[in-house]
Order: sequence, then structure tokens, then C-alpha cells
Amino acid sequence: EAQVTQNPRYLITVTGKKLTVTCSQNMNHEYMSWYRQDPGLGLRQIYYSMNVEVTDKGDVPEGYKVSRKEKRNFPLILESPSPNQTSLYFCASRFGQSNNEQFFGPGTRLTVL
Amino acid sequence: AQSVTQLDSQVPVFEEAPVELRCNYSSSVSVYLFWYVQYPNQGLQLLLKYLSGSTLVESINGFEAEFNKSQTSFHLRKPSVHISDTAEYFCAVSEAHNTDKLIFGTGTRLQVFP
Repeated sequence: EAQVTQNPRYLITVTGKKLTVTCSQNMNHEYMSWYRQDPGLGLRQIYYSMNVEVTDKGDVPEGYKVSRKEKRNFPLILESPSPNQTSLYFCASRFGQSNNEQFFGPGTRLTVL
Repeated sequence: AQSVTQLDSQVPVFEEAPVELRCNYSSSVSVYLFWYVQYPNQGLQLLLKYLSGSTLVESINGFEAEFNKSQTSFHLRKPSVHISDTAEYFCAVSEAHNTDKLIFGTGTRLQVFP
């Protein structure tokens, strides 16, 4: 089954404790992206990757890191999480150009205390 | 820079009534337009998209949206809603020749009552 998977689905952590949210897709998509969803703000892009070893900042990259060592994986790293990073995070992937559909993972709900 | 405005954060409606979810965008270049739907506790799914050609696009579950270039709008409509249409709907825009970003609106929560 073609899908985007994220782990963990739920995470409660404390300020300053490094964490990684994994994202994997099995559709051989070149483009992958991370978004955060907050009430009243919709989805905002954190980082995106056009292909292996090619990443760039989205609209809200502060406090996040990403890497793209393999085509299928695009982990999101929070080196020192803070409470304002409490949010619902979505990973997405897409084949080719921007006119194509983005496929979204099920989401990761992160709470930083 | 592009932006998307969804004018209504919530739209309550009774079952079998018509509904319109409004979306306006701003961009200085040609755009692609999308509507995504998010059912409770799920990720987003593509509902329909406008790339070029006919300004009226339809989804398989009865929704339609019309691209209006002069009004920079892409409103989503359904003539008769079902309880199962209860979800959050996001309008999104990307530049036609820029593959980098998809800009989302803030979302409209459609609540269908029996």
C-alpha cells in the first residue's frame, strides 16, 4: 500500500530534550515536506526537500533541523524543544512537479512541557 | 508572495443543504489551486485541483470548485451535504512554475448536522 508513515504518532516530552520524528514514504517520491498545524493558523511549512541531500527552509524553520540521506526518509529533528513547538506535525511527499498531489502522513501530536 | 484567505473558520449546515466554502488567493503569477480535506484524526487528502483549462473542477464525492481569475477565488461548493462531509477543508495555492512551496489557508471546519 502506497503511504507516508510517521513515528511516533503521539509524544510528550520536556523542554530541551532532543527528539526526532521519523517520516518514510514508499512511493519513490522526490519531494518531501514537513508542516505544522496549529489552530487558526492552518498548515505552515517547516522544511522541504526536493531530492536526496537537497533541503531548504519553509516558512517556520526556526528550532528545527532535517536531513535527507535516503530518498524514502525525511526525519524532523528538534535539538532543544520548547513549549511553542507543541503542535500537530505532518509529513508529506509528492512526485515531480507542484501540480501533483501531496500525500500526507497521519500526523504526530507533540506536546512539549 | 502568494497568500490564501479562507474567510470562514467554521460553517455549520444541516444535512442535504447546499454549502459554499470560500477561498481567495493572491499571486502575481500563474497558480495551481487545490482543496484538501482533513477528516477527524487523519492526515490531509486531496479533494480536487485546478491546473489549467476548464475553470470548473469536480471531485468524485460531489464537490466542485470554480476558478475565477478576475476575483482571484476558488470557492468550493456542494449542492447537498451529508453527515460524512463533516471535516476541515483547506484551500492551497502554488506557483505554476515554482515547485517549492504549497501555501495553505487557515482552514474551514464544515459541521453537518442531522
